[in-house]
Formats: sequence, structure tokens, C-alpha cells
Amino acid sequence: SQQGEEDPQALSIQEGENATMNCSYKTSINNLQWYRQNSGRGLVHLILIRSNEREKHSGRLRVTLDTSKKSSSLLITASRAADTASYFCATDAINSGYALNFGKGTSLLVTP
Amino acid sequence: DAGVTQSPTHLIKTRGQQVTLRCSPKSGHDTVSWYQQALGQGPQFIFQYYEEEERQRGNFPDRFSGHQFPNYSSELNVNALLLGDSALYLCASSLGGSTGELFFGEGSRLTVL
Repeated sequence: SQQGEEDPQALSIQEGENATMNCSYKTSINNLQWYRQNSGRGLVHLILIRSNEREKHSGRLRVTLDTSKKSSSLLITASRAADTASYFCATDAINSGYALNFGKGTSLLVTP
Repeated sequence: DAGVTQSPTHLIKTRGQQVTLRCSPKSGHDTVSWYQQALGQGPQFIFQYYEEEERQRGNFPDRFSGHQFPNYSSELNVNALLLGDSALYLCASSLGGSTGELFFGEGSRLTVL
């Protein structure tokens, strides 16, 4: 079963705008990760945030984590056409062992 | 530094047949996990191999089996294929089986007719 749920399912913005994607999950976690996937190809790791962290930055990416609300957000600033992809959150849930639980993803379209 | 490589990239099978997918992990990695991604869905964990043993299994039937070789490469076998097995099969490697960053291959797209 998929623990994470991304919102919105699809997002369309213009270059230069910011894109925000949200992820909600159900059980306690060790960490939460965001991945990107271009056109049904392999996933690329973007950022990992641990359960005791509240915010993390990497380049144009900003991730927040609210464990009390069991939610996370991914902000991509100054979006580019090359950011067009699907974005997935994945949770390392406590008691789930070595499996990552992925959501269904947010499809982001950035138009020039 | 070679990343995760998977083969074949695409294949078509018919119901009832068997398929073997292959994965070579990123250099220096010793753990391989397999995920199934149906169209429009997120990846679903099939199993993880570490030290040539299946360390953990997701909610998949016994028709799905795997193997890890001494060089850490891995195979995923699916027997008695069903139409619902059509999906992108992703291999991910990591070090020591931690649930930190996973490195994914480009996947093997299986179509069952």
C-alpha cells in the first residue's frame, strides 16, 4: 500500500514561478525523501529530511516536514522547463523495515 | 563511476510466460531493492536483497522471486505472467541496506499481452 499521498496530482506553471507540492502520510517515520522521475524513466533522489528536522534546502529546493500533521512540502523556486517531471515523496516508516513507501506523485509541467 | 544498470529496457511477453530482469548496482553498493511501478502510480516495494539473501519482501505473490549474486548484481524473476504484471520494474541500489538515498536504474518496461 502507498502511505504517501501527494497533492496536487498535477500542476502547471510558467517558467520563473515557484512550484509547491505537498505530501501527507499516515504513520510515524524515520525520514521522508523526495524523488523526481522524467517520463516514466528512473527516479532521481532530490532530498532527504529526517524526522527530527523541520526544513532543509538544496539549491532551488526547499523541503519542510511537520511530523505533528504528518505532512511535507517541496518547493521548487524559479522553475525552469527542465523541471517538468513527476515528483514523488517516499517515507521510511518506522516498523516498515527497509521498504520505502511512495505516493502516487505530482505531475509538474513548466511551460516557457 | 557506473550507475545502476538494468536490462532489458523493454520486453513483451504473453500471459503464462516467465521473465527474468537483471540489475547491476552502482559501484560500491551491496544492496539491491526491486520496485514495481504501474502506469500512473508510485513505485511499490517488491523485495530487497542483501548478502545474497532476500532480507525483506513486500506484498507480492510467490510468482515474484529474485536472486543476488556474489558481485551484488541481482535478478528478478516473474513466473506465470498476468496482464496485471505489466509495469515498469525498477531496481535501486544502496549501501548496507539503509533507508537513505536510493539510486535507481532506468527500469525495465514489461508488457504482458
